[in-house]
This record gives sequence, C-alpha cells and structure tokens, in this order.
Amino acid sequence: RKEVEQDPGPFNVPEGATVAFNCTYSNSASQSFFWYRQDCRKEPKLLMSVYSSGNEDGRFTAQLNRASQYISLLIRDSKLSDSATYLCVVRSGGSNYKLTFGKGTLLTVNP
Amino acid sequence: GAGVSQSPSNKVTEKGKDVELRCDPISGHTALYWYRQSLGQGLEFLIYFQGNSAPDKSGLPSDRFSAERTGGSVSTLTIQRTQQEDSAVYLCASSFDQTYGYTFGSGTRLTVV
Repeated sequence: RKEVEQDPGPFNVPEGATVAFNCTYSNSASQSFFWYRQDCRKEPKLLMSVYSSGNEDGRFTAQLNRASQYISLLIRDSKLSDSATYLCVVRSGGSNYKLTFGKGTLLTVNP
Repeated sequence: GAGVSQSPSNKVTEKGKDVELRCDPISGHTALYWYRQSLGQGLEFLIYFQGNSAPDKSGLPSDRFSAERTGGSVSTLTIQRTQQEDSAVYLCASSFDQTYGYTFGSGTRLTVV
C-alpha cells in the first residue's frame, strides 16, 4: 500500500462548483498533514495545513480523520484560478522531517 | 535571497555524462531537501540535510547519485554517468528547521538524451 494515496482524477468542474479531494495515508504514526498546490510546470506551494479539528481558509476547508487515516480538501465556489494539481502531503512520526507526497489530483475549472 | 534558488533551470545532457545541480536555500534555513518529479509522477524524496550533514540519504536511487552541502547553505546534487531514466525535474526545498513547512525552488529540468 502506498504511503499516501489520492483520487487519481482528473476533475473537470464548472466555475462556482464545489469540489472535494480525498486522500488516505498508511502510517498511523503520521503527525502532520498538508495540502499543496502545484501549477503546471511550477514548484509545489503550501496551500494549507490540516488540523485534527478541521480548518477553513476562505473557500477552502480541510478535514482530518485520524481513525480512518483520511484527509480531505473541499473547495467551494471554485474559480478558474483554482485550476492546478492538488497534492496531499504527510509528515510521518519518528524522524519527523520528511514530507511524503501523494501523486496529486488535477483540477480544471471551466468557464 | 528571498526564495530558494536552483540552477540551472534547464539542463540537457548526453547519456553517460555527469551533471551538477545547485540549490541555494533561504538564508537561515537549516534543513534542506532534494526531491525529484518524473513526468506524471509524484514527488520522490532523495536526501535530507540538517546543516552540513545528511541524516537520511535513503531516497538516492543509486550510487551514481550524491549530494553535499557546505557552510550550512548551498547544496549540490551530482549525478554521474547519467541515464535516460534520470530525466526529471529535480526540486530543492528548505525549511527553518525540520518541523517547519517547506519552501520549494522552481526546480531543474534535466533531460538526458
């Protein structure tokens, strides 16, 4: 089983739609969780951290379910500029330094 | 500088040649990481530096790959006798320490022909 698995996608949605990304991780000792965004031919950039209580940043909501080892990202009222690949990222326990990236899910928001 | 700087941004090399990729992290960031991303694939961890030492080299694919970091700053990733399967984008990231989030450089796109 891969350490971090995401919906393979791609997702094509109209502007204004709500879209959800799902991710599972295999290491129950994982300590930190993130969503990164990667635009075409660009480097990944941190979108938001994911906290156990769930957290929101504008149109973006992240959820963590430790029991199910499941992470989600919800984008409401999607914009054309949200088109990108969304990467689920996990920092495992122990050494507590290395981030493990999922393969990403490509989102295209259409006018 | 303000961000992580990588050079060159693009490199085309012939199979069998050696290449050096450079990373200049954000000033004051003690942790430095190398990843690579092949076409359509996720990011693959290569090596981690804390200061000048590399506690984890487990991601280096073969002994043709090596990396060093000097002065707690610039790092160089060297690939000897390049092969076509080495073609990828090599990304460097740095963080204030090992518990902070990463800032990535824009990468070096390596093409082995």
